[in-house]
Amino acid sequence: ETGVTQSPTHLIKTRGQQVTLRCSSQSGHNTVSWYQQALGQGPQFIFQYYREEENGRGNFPPRFSGLQFPNYSSELNVNALELDDSALYLCASSLGGPAKNIQYFGAGTRLSVL
Amino acid sequence: KQEVTQIPAALSVPEGENLVLNCSFTDSAIYNLQWFRQDPGKGLTSLLLIQSSQREQTSGRLNASLDKSSGRSTLYIAASQPGDSATYLCAVMKGGATNKLIFGTGTLLAVQP
Repeated sequence: ETGVTQSPTHLIKTRGQQVTLRCSSQSGHNTVSWYQQALGQGPQFIFQYYREEENGRGNFPPRFSGLQFPNYSSELNVNALELDDSALYLCASSLGGPAKNIQYFGAGTRLSVL
Repeated sequence: KQEVTQIPAALSVPEGENLVLNCSFTDSAIYNLQWFRQDPGKGLTSLLLIQSSQREQTSGRLNASLDKSSGRSTLYIAASQPGDSATYLCAVMKGGATNKLIFGTGTLLAVQP
């Protein structure tokens, strides 16, 4: 158990809809990173939040957005869903923002877009 | 641009065999390298983390090595067991303001009883 929890575990949406995924960090961690893992691929970095500010973004379009709250929990929002957005979405929490500390992963949210 | 490659993509071995999984990366300017295990449909479990100044790390039957200059890491699993069956991912963390991980595509390991 990493202490990182994600909800929901599974989600089914249709093309064009919007979705919100949630992540609760390990206690005391102030940094959350989000990754997308398509079937058969390694996880791809979406973005990272440190103390409620975006601290780096991968090669994902603006319809992928996020938030981090004062308690360091986080949301990933995806607008105008496309079929290719079907994937496992993983969040990871760590301590220290730019500090190169270990990231602890949640179990993920499986998103299916029909 | 950092790229991480894992070979082989899949591996099937009989129980009890020792095995080696390979990971290579194109940019040697890494901060650390981490090996993860992923069971089907599940999240990532960290197995070993090697800082860039280290050469290897060991945990139980697992040993990971790092040769930063050649851009290579290996994960050695001794006396494999059916419970070791999973996908193994390596990931590097670059320097810079964002401590993001760059992952390989993984090696799917099946240990046959």
